[in-house]
Amino acid sequence: QLQLQESGPGLVKPSETLSLTCSVSGDSISSPYYWGWIRQPPGKGLEWIGNVYYSGNTFYNPSLESRVTISVDTSKNQFSVKVTAVTAADMAVYYCARFSGNYRFVEYWGQGTLVTVSS
Amino acid sequence: EVVLTQSPGTLSLSPGERATLSCRASQSVRSSDLAWYQRRPGQAPRLLIYGTSSRATGIPDRFSGSGSGTDFTLTISRLEPEDSAVFYCQQYGSSVYTFGQGTKLEIK
Repeated sequence: QLQLQESGPGLVKPSETLSLTCSVSGDSISSPYYWGWIRQPPGKGLEWIGNVYYSGNTFYNPSLESRVTISVDTSKNQFSVKVTAVTAADMAVYYCARFSGNYRFVEYWGQGTLVTVSS
Repeated sequence: EVVLTQSPGTLSLSPGERATLSCRASQSVRSSDLAWYQRRPGQAPRLLIYGTSSRATGIPDRFSGSGSGTDFTLTISRLEPEDSAVFYCQQYGSSVYTFGQGTKLEIK
């Protein structure tokens, strides 16, 4: 059974860079799927951040594209997200996910990790 | 960007009743690109329905999806206490995924 586990700092200062990693177990990240990040600010809806293919190809939410980088580390079976110049609006529960083979929907979700933005 | 509007915001029903959750899109969505998820308290979201009406692996047949164009529905028949959760619809189009704001289902 595929499992995804997010890790990273739970507290980030404004204007700094948020970095999270998703560890994949039960499958190889080199499988032909898109891996992605989704977040949910407190009291708000889910927002897709971006996806990375095992080959390294990426596509991002246009609203975040200028500040986001998603990458894959096949040697560690992990993928990561970086969000630069964070503000209070970036405070959210961040989920990592594996998308379906046709990349239309999310087949597997991580448990999520809360990132607080505060000085 | 396609905006998905879910209704009602909260639904309170008794065990054994039927729940009907609506997801309306701001523009037409291909049937293949509409999915539903359930998030129970303290748990990760899980896929219920994909391609508008196909149940994901392990999802009981009490859950069914329907719709087309801009109007989609998730129906849960014979409600059970474990169905208490927030339900989200999601669409994929023009290389962007968007989600509805969610419907909270409470089982009395």
